[in-house]
Amino acid sequence: GAVVSQHPSRVICKSGTSVKIECRSLDFQATTMFWYRQFPKQSLMLMATSNEGSKATYEQGVEKDKFLINHASLTLSTLTVTSAHPEDSSFYICSASRRTGSVNYGYTFGSGTRLTVV
Amino acid sequence: AQSVTQLDSQVPVFEEAPVELRCNYSSSVSVYLFWYVQYPNQGLQLLLKYLSGSTLVKGINGFEAEFNKSQTSFHLRKPSVHISDTAEYFCAVSEAETSGSRLTFGEGTQLTVNP
Repeated sequence: GAVVSQHPSRVICKSGTSVKIECRSLDFQATTMFWYRQFPKQSLMLMATSNEGSKATYEQGVEKDKFLINHASLTLSTLTVTSAHPEDSSFYICSASRRTGSVNYGYTFGSGTRLTVV
Repeated sequence: AQSVTQLDSQVPVFEEAPVELRCNYSSSVSVYLFWYVQYPNQGLQLLLKYLSGSTLVKGINGFEAEFNKSQTSFHLRKPSVHISDTAEYFCAVSEAETSGSRLTFGEGTQLTVNP
């Protein structure tokens, strides 16, 4: 089955530094990648949507200069949290979708990254 | 735009009892429907999905769901739960005919199975 590998699973960084999170689709080509943020005991909040080779589309209220998304290939997307602050501490999850013509292969989620900014 | 309402934020049940987690959606277009399970500090695992065809969908771990278009519902059921089913469950919807359509999630239902 489709697998999305997300790394790192946990990261602790100092305030003011940047952190990069990677998501790779291991056995399929992801036409679209989604990045979510999840606060404790809450649902997933969509941050941005990216298509390979295109600029990401950010949701309202999400700072594009703070959360840099790169989707350079059909198997790799990265989220960089720049100049991280304690309020950026959260659980970040990526999701890859693949659709060919009228066939929708659904969505596959990464295992998530727990970011703690100290 | 779509929206999803999970009617119960918490559902406590005893082991081996049946359970139903309720989900209603709203959309002006045809949709695909999904149920995901999330264990603590993990990503989401697909339980089952409805894309088309039979309205009764069977998934992993003994779960099933029924798509009811007239009631715009997609309730998740399991006839007999185990302790290991304790987790957060999310219902989600996407537009059926739009490439790269986003998933819209409900607020989640915490299922707690007690011995």
